[in-house]
Amino acid sequence: TQLLEQSPQFLSIQEGENLTVYCNSSSVFSSLQWYRQEPGEGPVLLVTVVTGGEVKKLKRLTFQFGDARKDSSLHITAAQPGDTGLYLCAGEAWVDSSYKLIFGSGTRLLVRP
Amino acid sequence: GAVVSQHPSRVICKSGTSVKIECRSLDFQATTMFWYRQFPKQSLMLMATSNEGSKATYEQGVEKDKFLINHASLTLSTLTVTSAHPEDSSFYICSARRTVNTEAFFGQGTRLTVV
Repeated sequence: TQLLEQSPQFLSIQEGENLTVYCNSSSVFSSLQWYRQEPGEGPVLLVTVVTGGEVKKLKRLTFQFGDARKDSSLHITAAQPGDTGLYLCAGEAWVDSSYKLIFGSGTRLLVRP
Repeated sequence: GAVVSQHPSRVICKSGTSVKIECRSLDFQATTMFWYRQFPKQSLMLMATSNEGSKATYEQGVEKDKFLINHASLTLSTLTVTSAHPEDSSFYICSARRTVNTEAFFGQGTRLTVV
């Protein structure tokens, strides 16, 4: 079983603060994706990282894939209330003769104005 | 990005009845579709992987006779919850991808309430 653990599970911060969300596994993934989900909607893809050690930036968001492709992090600089939501990492893995997208446990972020 | 549409977005049904949820890829052909279930304030749990023209592969613990999945065409997959019970109430989400290892696009989800 491929397990992706995210930490923290819940984060409440003040507007303007920085934060980092971690996504860890004992398994190797061919790629790892980060999503953001609003209540009552499907997840929306933020970024895909493929190469070990890869760093991608999306405005105030910085994503990093671990060298061994087992873990990843999401760093948000100067958080804003609009960043509030559920952040999910998801790993792509070959399991039971098919590629599957396995989701992490999720991090619920609340940014207070 | 590509568009995946789920229908209905919300459904309420009586205990013991069956409910069908549709997942359509509107502007691309999807060889693979995934069905997820999400409980309140939790992450997405993979239920099954559906490949066009073949039987779905169910995750451990998911009853294939209760959650019937059909992927008859490259643009449509359906999930039928048979003999629904209140504990089946959940948010069901599908995703679709063109081929293996390509981006998966998600539907907007279906909120099922069984009363």
